[in-house]
Amino acid sequence: AQTVTQSQPEMSVQEAETVTLSCTYDTSESDYYLFWYKQPPSRQMILVIRQEAYKQQNATENRFSVNFQKAAKSFSLKISDSQLGDAAMYFCAFLYSGGGADGLTFGKGTHLIIQP
Amino acid sequence: KAGVTQTPRYLIKTRGQQVTLSCSPISGHRSVSWYQQTPGQGLQFLFEYFSETQRNKGNFPGRFSGRQFSNSRSEMNVSTLELGDSALYLCASSLGGTGATDTQYFGPGTRLTVL
Repeated sequence: AQTVTQSQPEMSVQEAETVTLSCTYDTSESDYYLFWYKQPPSRQMILVIRQEAYKQQNATENRFSVNFQKAAKSFSLKISDSQLGDAAMYFCAFLYSGGGADGLTFGKGTHLIIQP
Repeated sequence: KAGVTQTPRYLIKTRGQQVTLSCSPISGHRSVSWYQQTPGQGLQFLFEYFSETQRNKGNFPGRFSGRQFSNSRSEMNVSTLELGDSALYLCASSLGGTGATDTQYFGPGTRLTVL
């Protein structure tokens, strides 16, 4: 079984600044996917970014980018030019690519606060 | 394309009752997964259905069951409700496929309160 750890229960950043959310995971598998999901107060889980483990290049989506370190089993999310709408819970998630036997495995989440 | 929809959005039940939640996936998606979210346990995988068959199952008691219809819509049933079943139940859909792993897109959730 795999585990996902988000060590920062809460983070705060000034609007327009950059913030990095940390995520580490533990698995014995070599083929998997990693995701960051955002859950605003509406509770709708929204996909932010996805990374395939076999790709060395870090994924980027506009202001969102990841730092994927496979050997270190680390998958951090960087949000540039933070906006008020970025305020939400952010969840890091792991999915085994061999059939998703356990579904998505989520971390406990990081509550991101954006200071105006 | 319309997103994943879940009905009802809110439910209040009493202990011992049963409840059925519904999920309609994104058009063309054949896989539906269910998750339970609670403050204490976080997000936990319940089960996944693909082509009307349960393909994967999480570590939940048999009181939690589901099914999927030929149009890929899925229902989740919880029998003999307990107070601890109070949670946000999230449904997610993906393209699915044998051995495939696809990005899961989530619905807005059903908030279940057990009194």
